Amino acid sequence: ILNVEQSPQSLHVQEGDSTNFTCSFPSSNFYALHWYRWETAKSPEALFVMTLNGDEKKKGRISATLNTKEGYSYLYIKGSQPEDSATYLCALTNTGFQKLVFGTGTRLLVSP
Amino acid sequence: NAGVMQNPRHLVRRRGQEARLRCSPMKGHSHVYWYRQLPEEGLKFMVYLQKENIIDESGMPKERFSAEFPKEGPSILRIQQVVRGDSAAYFCASSPPNRFNTGELFFGEGSRLTVL
Repeated sequence: ILNVEQSPQSLHVQEGDSTNFTCSFPSSNFYALHWYRWETAKSPEALFVMTLNGDEKKKGRISATLNTKEGYSYLYIKGSQPEDSATYLCALTNTGFQKLVFGTGTRLLVSP
Repeated sequence: NAGVMQNPRHLVRRRGQEARLRCSPMKGHSHVYWYRQLPEEGLKFMVYLQKENIIDESGMPKERFSAEFPKEGPSILRIQQVVRGDSAAYFCASSPPNRFNTGELFFGEGSRLTVL
């Protein structure tokens, strides 16, 4: 059974602050890790898919790292903006991308 | 270029009635996934289908729930004899055929079921 844990559960920062969240997962039988961004009343949107230990991905002010040996991934947001307010989901997939197992997410609120 | 379309967006049913939720995947996508979000919980995998085949239904409750993805038309998630505990948001996602698959799922905006 894949168990994906995310911390913190929620986070409230001021505009301009940089922040990061953690996703932890079993390091055995790893295949791929995904980060999704989910704004209220919208659908989750993919940010990154990472497969290799040491992978680093970046999209604008958002970046992510992956450590498959110790079973964690970090998501970083540099200079948070109010429009970054959303729930950030981490998900693990098995071989063949047959299903994604999601963590419960980190809810980020950025105040102006 | 429409995304994943789900309908209805909101559905109210009384206990014992049936609920049918529909999902049209993105154009060119042949894989459909259903997820459920219970109040205060994350997205829980229910079922993964390809056209006319159920590939993985390990997350589906054993009774009252069924899913199909026919050759023509949308995928249907059917809940018979609904109970209050079925109240949740049901999300559909799709992905392209295997040879184009990067693992990314494209989600619809969900169908919110309320059981009175």
